[in-house]
Amino acid sequence: SQTIHQWPATLVQPVGSPLSLECTVEGTSNPNLYWYRQAAGRGLQLLFYSVGIGQISSEVPQNLSASRPQDRQFILSSKKLLLSDSGFYLCAWSSTGGYADTQYFGPGTRLTVL
Amino acid sequence: AQTVTQSQPEMSVQEAETVTLSCTYDTSESDYYLFWYKQPPSRQMILVIRQEAYKQQNATENRFSVNFQKAAKSFSLKISDSQLGDAAMYFCAFLRSNSGYALNFGKGTSLLVTP
Repeated sequence: SQTIHQWPATLVQPVGSPLSLECTVEGTSNPNLYWYRQAAGRGLQLLFYSVGIGQISSEVPQNLSASRPQDRQFILSSKKLLLSDSGFYLCAWSSTGGYADTQYFGPGTRLTVL
Repeated sequence: AQTVTQSQPEMSVQEAETVTLSCTYDTSESDYYLFWYKQPPSRQMILVIRQEAYKQQNATENRFSVNFQKAAKSFSLKISDSQLGDAAMYFCAFLRSNSGYALNFGKGTSLLVTP
């Protein structure tokens, strides 16, 4: 069966510090991968998606970036965090992309920027 | 633009009763997928149910069912025999045809289940 992992679960970082959040998927190959952010009291906003290794598309321009160094690994990064980067970050995967696919979410990372 | 609207920020239901959560969406596409996700206090998003727009039959999953009205662009979730464990945020979502088939989410409905 497929599983998705995210770490760390919780992170507290000062403004201006770097960020690296990791997401890995097990039990499938060539998944579509997604990073969403959920700000307090809001729905989910798509940040990045990837349909293959090295293929990253950005949905919202910001100081965050994403990379996919391996087929089942998706990394969210920042060189300098802003207060507005605080939120709950969710990684998701789907099997092939397209209308028929359901997205499955990881447990999330709670990021607080102070 | 493909937007999703959940007009009920909060709902309350008594244990064993039935509750319906509303969702409307806007799209110009003829074929698409709709989803309901549940987010309990742990905050992990859990798939509840999905509906394919070309299917006229409403989807059901145990105590969860949808009322899909394509012409009205309405997609409500009915929870029967509510249980305490159903308490959570519920998000309606639309599967986009662009952006790598990412999801557009509504703002969510917080469901409280009382004993």
